[in-house]
Amino acid sequence: DVKVTQSSRYLVKRTGEKVFLECVQDMDHENMFWYRQDPGLGLRLIYFSYDVKMKEKGDIPEGYSVSREKKERFSLILESASTNQTSMYLCASSLNPGQGYNEQFFGPGTRLTVL
Amino acid sequence: SQQGEEDPQALSIQEGENATMNCSYKTSINNLQWYRQNSGRGLVHLILIRSNEREKHSGRLRVTLDTSKKSSSLLITASRAADTASYFCATAPGLYSGAGSYQLTFGKGTKLSVIP
Repeated sequence: DVKVTQSSRYLVKRTGEKVFLECVQDMDHENMFWYRQDPGLGLRLIYFSYDVKMKEKGDIPEGYSVSREKKERFSLILESASTNQTSMYLCASSLNPGQGYNEQFFGPGTRLTVL
Repeated sequence: SQQGEEDPQALSIQEGENATMNCSYKTSINNLQWYRQNSGRGLVHLILIRSNEREKHSGRLRVTLDTSKKSSSLLITASRAADTASYFCATAPGLYSGAGSYQLTFGKGTKLSVIP
């Protein structure tokens, strides 16, 4: 079974802090994704990566950056956390479409609160 | 940008009844997928239907796809309290080209409550 793990289930940070959210997958997937989920807004894509050191902006990249130095690890960075970044953050991974189904496998989520 | 829109936003049924959720989308797709999310957890993939398929079954799940109407439905038969969750549809773009083709676009979800 694919396993996607996220470094923290709950995180509380102060405004202005630099925040790192880590995601690791164990199935050699090429693609990794970061979403945020807010009530009434569904899942919104922040960034995704289709290969090591490659990244693409999603729908809401402002205020975030990402890093993918190794295939299995994808990090989301909040350079200077703000209260409007309080949210549930979900990481996912998938194969390339050409390799078969592109279903995404999700981690358990990190609920981040910025005070 | 949101592509899939689920309907209804919330659904409450008695255990043993069937639950039907609908999803509409706007542009051409390669496939459509349904996911379940238990409260406060990550999403779990349920079923995928390709654009050239009309119906697919998996256990108590039945998914239909009507590409002419750009809509899909998820039917859960003989519902159980454990089916209580939010259900999301997600679409994969019709043309696999470029990095954007790897994305899925999720709807806002239907919140299903199954009352014991």
